[in-house]
Amino acid sequence: RKEVEQDPGPFNVPEGATVAFNCTYSNSASQSFFWYRQDCRKEPKLLMSVYSSGNEDGRFTAQLNRASQYISLLIRDSKLSDSATYLCVVNPFNQAGTALIFGKGTTLSVSS
Amino acid sequence: DTAVSQTPKYLVTQMGNDKSIKCEQNLGHDTMYWYKQDSKKFLKIMFSYNNKELIINETVPNRFSPKSPDKAHLNLHINSLELGDSAVYFCASSQVQGKGVNTEAFFGQGTRLTVV
Repeated sequence: RKEVEQDPGPFNVPEGATVAFNCTYSNSASQSFFWYRQDCRKEPKLLMSVYSSGNEDGRFTAQLNRASQYISLLIRDSKLSDSATYLCVVNPFNQAGTALIFGKGTTLSVSS
Repeated sequence: DTAVSQTPKYLVTQMGNDKSIKCEQNLGHDTMYWYKQDSKKFLKIMFSYNNKELIINETVPNRFSPKSPDKAHLNLHINSLELGDSAVYFCASSQVQGKGVNTEAFFGQGTRLTVV
């Protein structure tokens, strides 16, 4: 099983749609979780951290299910500017210097 | 001011050459990384340094040698470049919180390396 697995998409949705991305991770001891966004030919940027209690930031909602080792991202009322690749990211170890492990990303294309 | 900066942004070079990519962060972070993003867009960790100490050295050819002169800098030197080394190389940094957990990573803008 891959460390972090995502559906690559692409997800093609109209403006205003709600879209959900899912991600699974293999290491049950993983400590922290994030969603990053990467635009074409740009660096990845943090979209939001993912907490056990779930968290919301405007139109974006992230959920974590530790028992199922599953992370989700929900985007409501999609905008054209949401078009990007969304990367599920896991910090698998409780040790200084360990690296974030990235999924391969899910591509979202929002059209008018 | 740019938090994580790397130079150069673009690098085109011939096979067999030796090249270096520099990275600096002004965030005061303890940990710095090198990631490689290949043509399939997969971001893969190459190296991780914590307080100038090498923590992670993934299966990377020994032609790749990272050097961390201080906490704020992590450079990547590549010897005898090959066609397959063509990729985007990202430098990143993060901070260690309590219990050794790293916060989110901040990335540099990337270095697009093309080997011809």
